[in-house]
Amino acid sequence: EIVLTQSPDFQSVTPKEKVTITCRASQSIGKNLHWYQQKPDQSPKLLIKYASQPFSGVPSRFSGSGSGTDFTLTINSLEAEDAATYYCHQSSSLPRSFGQGTKLDIK
Amino acid sequence: QEQLQQWGAGLLKPSETLSLTCAVYGGSFSGYFWSWIRQPPGKGLEWIGEINRSGSTNYNPSLKSRLTISVDTSKSQFSLKLSSVTAADTAVYYCARFGNHIMDVWGKGTTVTVSS
Repeated sequence: EIVLTQSPDFQSVTPKEKVTITCRASQSIGKNLHWYQQKPDQSPKLLIKYASQPFSGVPSRFSGSGSGTDFTLTINSLEAEDAATYYCHQSSSLPRSFGQGTKLDIK
Repeated sequence: QEQLQQWGAGLLKPSETLSLTCAVYGGSFSGYFWSWIRQPPGKGLEWIGEINRSGSTNYNPSLKSRLTISVDTSKSQFSLKLSSVTAADTAVYYCARFGNHIMDVWGKGTTVTVSS
């Protein structure tokens, strides 16, 4: 089973700040790493697929990078609406798995 | 635009069987795996399992002994049954479409509470 470890678990940030969230896989997963945003009381929404490809309709301030075992989600010029928990997800092998989540609080 | 609508019993007693159904509207039922994911209160996402149109399934090993996922292609629906529930199964349960490695369409979630 592939374990995904995100850091940090929690971050308090100010609007317009740049945010970086990392996700490390316990073994190589190529680019089969995807990022989701979940706001309170909502379903997760896909942000980035295959490590770096923005999903349809996602604002350009969201970007992703990485391959193998180390991945990064970057939010440039953070907006208040970006307050959410962010999860990475691997689809390289079964069982499918998620990181533990990174909660962003906007000051 | 495809939508997933899910329903099922929200309150169960320990040892009962959790049963949820998810209906697919506005899109193709073929070419995807149809998934279940859960989220305990205040915690992260846990993949439960998935099924395709042909009935081929993949299950989380941690739940496999209690889990059945089935499909009804005539209604474009898929279902989850989890037996012998305990308080640890209390969670919001989501259905989702999985295709080309991504879960791009999600249901709104169903809250299931297990309590005596």
